Amino acid sequence: DIQMTQSPSTLSASVGDRVTITCRATQSVSKWLAWYQQKPGKAPILLIYQASTLQTGVPSRFSGSGSGTEFTLTISSLQPDDFATYYCQQYDTYPITFGQGSRLDIK
Amino acid sequence: EVQVVESGGGLVQPGGSLRLSCAASGFTFSNYGMSWVRQAPGKGLEWVSVISNGGGGTYYADSVKGRFTISRDNSKNMLYLQMNSLRVDDTAVYYCAKDLRVNSGYHNFDYWGQGTLVTVSS
Repeated sequence: DIQMTQSPSTLSASVGDRVTITCRATQSVSKWLAWYQQKPGKAPILLIYQASTLQTGVPSRFSGSGSGTEFTLTISSLQPDDFATYYCQQYDTYPITFGQGSRLDIK
Repeated sequence: EVQVVESGGGLVQPGGSLRLSCAASGFTFSNYGMSWVRQAPGKGLEWVSVISNGGGGTYYADSVKGRFTISRDNSKNMLYLQMNSLRVDDTAVYYCAKDLRVNSGYHNFDYWGQGTLVTVSS
């Protein structure tokens, strides 16, 4: 199985900050990588797919990059609504696997 | 408006069975693969199973293989998850999730339900 490891697991930041979350795969997933945002008690929301394609309706301050085994999610200027947990997901190979999550807290 | 709504969760004893359902609306259900994803209390997301748009292809996480069965009824716009031999570590919120792309072999999810809680405990 492909293991997905996110870093950091927790980060604290302030409104207006630029933040980056990294996701690494134990083998290449090509470009088949998605990012989700989840808030407590809510279902995940798709932010990015195919590593760098912004899902319709998602603010442009979110961006994704990478291919192969290393990927990043960047939020260019944090807004109050962005404090949440973020997950990467590879969908190149079965079983589909998620990263362990990165919780973004208010500093 | 696209909607997926899960039902069927509840409390079950270890070794018991439960059948989850997911009612879909607002899109052409038969064109999209569908998955179940679960989340144990306070934990991360775990993909459980996927079924192709026509129902002919199914895949499972190793943790549920041989115990869970995914199925769909395209005439009723319904997705199901039959869960047998349930274990305490199957306790989780179970989400139904729709593939982003039509007829795709690549599964990422643009619509999720609100989830249904399955608790396995004696």
